[in-house]
Amino acid sequence: GENVEQHPSTLSVQEGDSAVIKCTYSDSASNYFPWYKQELGKRPQLIIDIRSNVGEKKDQRIAVTLNKTAKHFSLHITETQPEDSAVYFCAATLTGGGNKLTFGTGTQLKVEL
Amino acid sequence: DSGVTQTPKHLITATGQRVTLRCSPRSGDLSVYWYQQSLDQGLQFLIQYYNGEERAKGNILERFSAQQFPDLHSELNLSSLELGDSALYFCASSVTSGPGELFFGEGSRLTVL
Repeated sequence: GENVEQHPSTLSVQEGDSAVIKCTYSDSASNYFPWYKQELGKRPQLIIDIRSNVGEKKDQRIAVTLNKTAKHFSLHITETQPEDSAVYFCAATLTGGGNKLTFGTGTQLKVEL
Repeated sequence: DSGVTQTPKHLITATGQRVTLRCSPRSGDLSVYWYQQSLDQGLQFLIQYYNGEERAKGNILERFSAQQFPDLHSELNLSSLELGDSALYFCASSVTSGPGELFFGEGSRLTVL
């Protein structure tokens, strides 16, 4: 089955700096890669996703890049703000046979003032 | 508010007991997913139902079972509970059976003493 590794497990940045979280996946057939944000005590919420026919996707301060050859994808947050502090999860799945999303182990992002 | 409703929010029980967690998906969503979140294992996919049928299965223990009813709500049954089953159980829903945004409920926190 799919295996998703995520790094780093914790990340501390100064407000206004950029943050990058990286994930690798094992199944080359995976073709959908979402990122979820989970604030403390809250439910996970989708912040951005990318499909394998696209190399990069951007939404305001958030961007995701995908390298299918290397089987890795990254989340980039620019101009970080205190409200970006949360746990971020990457995930991967492939079409066909349902939506068996495999999540990474999460990155605790702390944006310091 | 994601529109996904989970009950109960908190549950404390003893080892060996059986509990049932309930989930009502967003209006119009046909897929329901169950995830287990524990501190050391992140979000683990348990099972997906689509329009009443099992669609995808993760590493769900034999002591656990689930079903989706004709009105599309779902129940996750956990039996012969062990201390290690203590976790936050999330239900999520989506419109289709394939890859796409999952809308998570607030979770049911199970504590096994």
